[in-house]
Amino acid sequence: DQQVKQNSPSLSVQEGRISILNCDYTNSMFDYFLWYKKYPAEGPTFLISISSIKDKNEDGRFTVFLNKSAKHLSLHIVPSQPGDSAVYFCAVKGATNKLIFGTGTLLAVQP
Amino acid sequence: ETGVTQSPTHLIKTRGQQVTLRCSSQSGHNTVSWYQQALGQGPQFIFQYYREEENGRGNFPPRFSGLQFPNYSSELNVNALELDDSALYLCASSLEVRVAGANVLTFGAGSRLTVL
Repeated sequence: DQQVKQNSPSLSVQEGRISILNCDYTNSMFDYFLWYKKYPAEGPTFLISISSIKDKNEDGRFTVFLNKSAKHLSLHIVPSQPGDSAVYFCAVKGATNKLIFGTGTLLAVQP
Repeated sequence: ETGVTQSPTHLIKTRGQQVTLRCSSQSGHNTVSWYQQALGQGPQFIFQYYREEENGRGNFPPRFSGLQFPNYSSELNVNALELDDSALYLCASSLEVRVAGANVLTFGAGSRLTVL
């Protein structure tokens, strides 16, 4: 029973264009939503988060959107850069403080 | 400020053996969580330790056990290894287990376990 789904295993984008990564969740009780980025041979690194009481959070080139009625989360990267090429995981947090991760989306930004 | 360090980085075991993985928390962090990442999957929560006691456990059998030491470092032990235990094991530390926020975890690079 997957509570967090990332339906696109991979995404290819041209440098300078927008990258949009999507995530769907099933439980409306989650209170925080996070995005992590993972390079090969490194651990996941925190990118950006959003509280369930907000619908948008922005940090530089990265913006996370939350649509609670659709139980949908998205990460926008603009402009995309080759260094953004990595696996992106969305994660959700509930009352227990554990994180539940999606399966990840491999982003490739082409120069 | 040192990050999260894990050892060993790679190891190979045979079915039925036991393994111990080690983790040093980021400086100032008092909570440690362990995650298992199988190939093609996202990290899955194993358990969390706070003040040297288990504070939450995921859907893993009792042969997965852990310890947290007074210096906040931690060990993950897996007994009676099975082929499906082959995975990347990630340790993550955080500042406070009951933080009323996003609970941002700082991950180590992981220990890749192969069970033959």
